[in-house]
Amino acid sequence: KQEVTQIPAALSVPEGENLVLNCSFTDSAIYNLQWFRQDPGKGLTSLLLIQSSQREQTSGRLNASLDKSSGRSTLYIAASQPGDSATYLCAVKGGNSGYALNFGKGTSLLVTP
Amino acid sequence: AAGVIQSPRHLIKEKRETATLKCYPIPRHDTVYWYQQGPGQDPQFLISFYEKMQSDKGSIPDRFSAQQFSDYHSELNMSSLELGDSALYFCASSYDRDPRSVWGAEFNEQFFGPGTRLTVL
Repeated sequence: KQEVTQIPAALSVPEGENLVLNCSFTDSAIYNLQWFRQDPGKGLTSLLLIQSSQREQTSGRLNASLDKSSGRSTLYIAASQPGDSATYLCAVKGGNSGYALNFGKGTSLLVTP
Repeated sequence: AAGVIQSPRHLIKEKRETATLKCYPIPRHDTVYWYQQGPGQDPQFLISFYEKMQSDKGSIPDRFSAQQFSDYHSELNMSSLELGDSALYFCASSYDRDPRSVWGAEFNEQFFGPGTRLTVL
């Protein structure tokens, strides 16, 4: 069964800092990987999708990389803002989990003014 | 752009009652996924449908059933509700073509609905 791990579980940074969230998965035979943002008690907002054949994707201040062979992905957030405070979830599609997404437990991010 | 619609948004039930959650996928999407997110937990896959047929099954309890209708909307039926069923239930849709083939799987993003918050008292 695909296992997805996210490190750190929680992170607190002052506004303006650049930060990196990490995601690892046990089965590298994935189709793609998605990063989501979730505010407390709210729904899932898709941030980036990286196909298995891609190395990275960028959207605004967000950059996600994928190293499929080593089973790792990182989400880089530049110039963090208080509005970035949320839980960030990594989810992989494939790797013995069929076509459903297999989620990590998330990184809870707090950006302080 | 049209998004995934879920109804109701909030639902309160008593133990042992039944509940039905509805999902309306993005037009032209052919695959629907259901996920359950317990308090403080990550979303867990329950079940999926492709072209109105069950395509994958995850950790869905036997007390739950689901189906996809001819108009592609899906319903999750939950019976004999337990306190532990209290959770956020998400529906997601994608245009997966044939989910049993690799073609398309790499490119297809799952779009999530806002979720239904079920509280069992």
